[in-house]
Amino acid sequence: QSALTQPPSASGSPGQSVTISCTGTSSDVGGYNYVSWYQQFPGKAPKLMIYEVTKRPSGVPDRFSGSKSGNTASLTVSGLQAEDEGDYYCSSYAGFNTFYVFGTGTKVTVL
Amino acid sequence: EVQLVESGGGLVQPGGSLRLYCEASGFTFSSYWMRWVRQAPGKGLEWVANIKQDESERNYVASVRGRFTISRDNARNSLYLQMNSLRVEDTARYYCAREGVPYASDVWGQGTTVTVSS
Repeated sequence: QSALTQPPSASGSPGQSVTISCTGTSSDVGGYNYVSWYQQFPGKAPKLMIYEVTKRPSGVPDRFSGSKSGNTASLTVSGLQAEDEGDYYCSSYAGFNTFYVFGTGTKVTVL
Repeated sequence: EVQLVESGGGLVQPGGSLRLYCEASGFTFSSYWMRWVRQAPGKGLEWVANIKQDESERNYVASVRGRFTISRDNARNSLYLQMNSLRVEDTARYYCAREGVPYASDVWGQGTTVTVSS
């Protein structure tokens, strides 16, 4: 099972929006509404930002939003802030036998 | 405070074995699926295995199936990963995580590092 495809990098100025794509197949992203997104800072554990495509855990700012169309999911960070700079990974349930796949990761830079 | 603390990592030769530990606190451990996720140096995340509350279901990524065993002890609030026949490509930081929301991990430990090298 291949990893989900994400752009290696994305950037934006403070206050702008940045959108990260996550492309899979009909066996994972397209087949289930179980896409999640994680934020990770260097040397730190990942943090859950979005689950079930669009849901935000308590404590995650509403500047973070998720969506999905076909085999591609997206994470949008609106009103970009310096503290949003880090690595972002998508993940999807991929059914019996494969179970879960992660994306290749995207480094977000705040200019 | 909800917390997961991993231990047991270290340096091991190819073909060797290692057992990872994850101690949970601050929540009802026995109520949740749990998982292990790893991250090779400078690389992305990889789901390794997960286990149901009563151990009746255990799932593995293909690359570790038959070599790794996930288990838990609900009385001790602990999760384990027994790793046998270790390969160089198993070198990674291993995270313990709770599946507290559907098909995702809402609580993570700080990780423990496994290095497989001769």
